[in-house]
Amino acid sequence: NAGVMQNPRHLVRRRGQEARLRCSPVKGHSHVYWYRQLPEEGLKFMVYLQKENIIDESGMPKERFSAEFPKEGPSILRIQQVVRGDSAAYFCASSPNRETNTEAFFGQGTRLTVV
Amino acid sequence: DAKTTQPPSMDCAEGRAANLPCNHSTISGNEYVYWYRQIHSQGPQYIIHGLKNNETNEMASLIITEDRKSSTLILPHATLRDTAVYYCIVRVRQSGAGSYQLTFGKGTKLSVIP
Repeated sequence: NAGVMQNPRHLVRRRGQEARLRCSPVKGHSHVYWYRQLPEEGLKFMVYLQKENIIDESGMPKERFSAEFPKEGPSILRIQQVVRGDSAAYFCASSPNRETNTEAFFGQGTRLTVV
Repeated sequence: DAKTTQPPSMDCAEGRAANLPCNHSTISGNEYVYWYRQIHSQGPQYIIHGLKNNETNEMASLIITEDRKSSTLILPHATLRDTAVYYCIVRVRQSGAGSYQLTFGKGTKLSVIP
């Protein structure tokens, strides 16, 4: 877990603002996954990215949410015009390749609170 | 991915073995059994996985029945730090196109009691 760094750990935004969540994968890992966990629920898959490519975004809401994993720098999950329902813990995971995505390392998460 | 069924909660005395069951009666031949846990306010942590044979690592043991329809995760000497939600997930190890997600259910909330 210590290898995947997410920041900030806690983020408070007013309704209508933008939220940017950052994830630095384990060094050498080129596959990143984002999950969302609503209060008292299990984690739900959002998006899977490789460097500069979105591979699977089947779990992403159709509007306001976007993700990127540039050649240099961390992966970013961006939520525009946040609403109260976006309040959740957002977890990032990384793996070295597609074959080991089921043993991915997770970060400590970013807890987003929309007020 | 095959559906799994786990008890919602369990208690275990500190120092004793914790045995967490999981039913996966519709598991396919190429699907593995994975266990993750989530300690309060932290990200999920991979524990162990197996296909047919029993597996053991430094964290736990995984016992899979011969018909593969159920399994048990064993923490041999539970400590207070093992208090967490434990998730049993069944899926193929190498996913095909469009199927990279881990599906987390509600899991079993294990409370280790002093």
